[in-house]
Amino acid sequence: GAVVSQHPSWVICKSGTSVKIECRSLDFQATTMFWYRQFPKQSLMLMATSNEGSKATYEQGVEKDKFLINHASLTLSTLTVTSAHPEDSSFYICSAGGSRRGETQYFGPGTRLLVL
Amino acid sequence: GDSVTQMEGPVTLSEEAFLTINCTYTATGYPSLFWYVQYPGEGLQLLLKATKADDKGSNKGFEATYRKETTSFHLEKGSVQVSDSAVYFCALSDGTGGFKTIFGAGTRLFVKA
Repeated sequence: GAVVSQHPSWVICKSGTSVKIECRSLDFQATTMFWYRQFPKQSLMLMATSNEGSKATYEQGVEKDKFLINHASLTLSTLTVTSAHPEDSSFYICSAGGSRRGETQYFGPGTRLLVL
Repeated sequence: GDSVTQMEGPVTLSEEAFLTINCTYTATGYPSLFWYVQYPGEGLQLLLKATKADDKGSNKGFEATYRKETTSFHLEKGSVQVSDSAVYFCALSDGTGGFKTIFGAGTRLFVKA
């Protein structure tokens, strides 16, 4: 099946710094990618839909100035957590595909962020 | 809005036992239904899917049938293995919602040898 990668897989940063997470579709082009957040032992919560060449669509309650999304090409979307705080510590997962009926969504392996 | 409800876990079974994880959904349109599996420390993997009523998705011995009349998509496996220990997520994708995927809360499965 299709492969989606994320980088880095682990990041530890100090409070107040910004962290960039990359999501790449390795063997297919994705006009749409999705960013999720998963708290320990909980389900995935959709944060935003990343659209190639246009602004991301954020879910209600997600701060767009806090979580900057850029989808610069058909194979790359980035999520930047700006001025990170300990409450931003979480598991961030991206996915690509699944933007049409019945289409499979392929998930990246996730990025674990710990803000100290 | 659309939603997915799964049975609460954890579910603990002995090896070779029969597994059922219940999933029901609410959707305004005609969703596609999915089961994803998440092994410890990893991302999600698609386990199986069904795109219309009465479809049966199957993979690795797991099965689920899209039941429109009961709005259900229960996951079953006849004989579980220790390696099946993971968290299982039921999900739907509905075109009326822009094909965003809505996940259930997840059910953690422990299989004992």
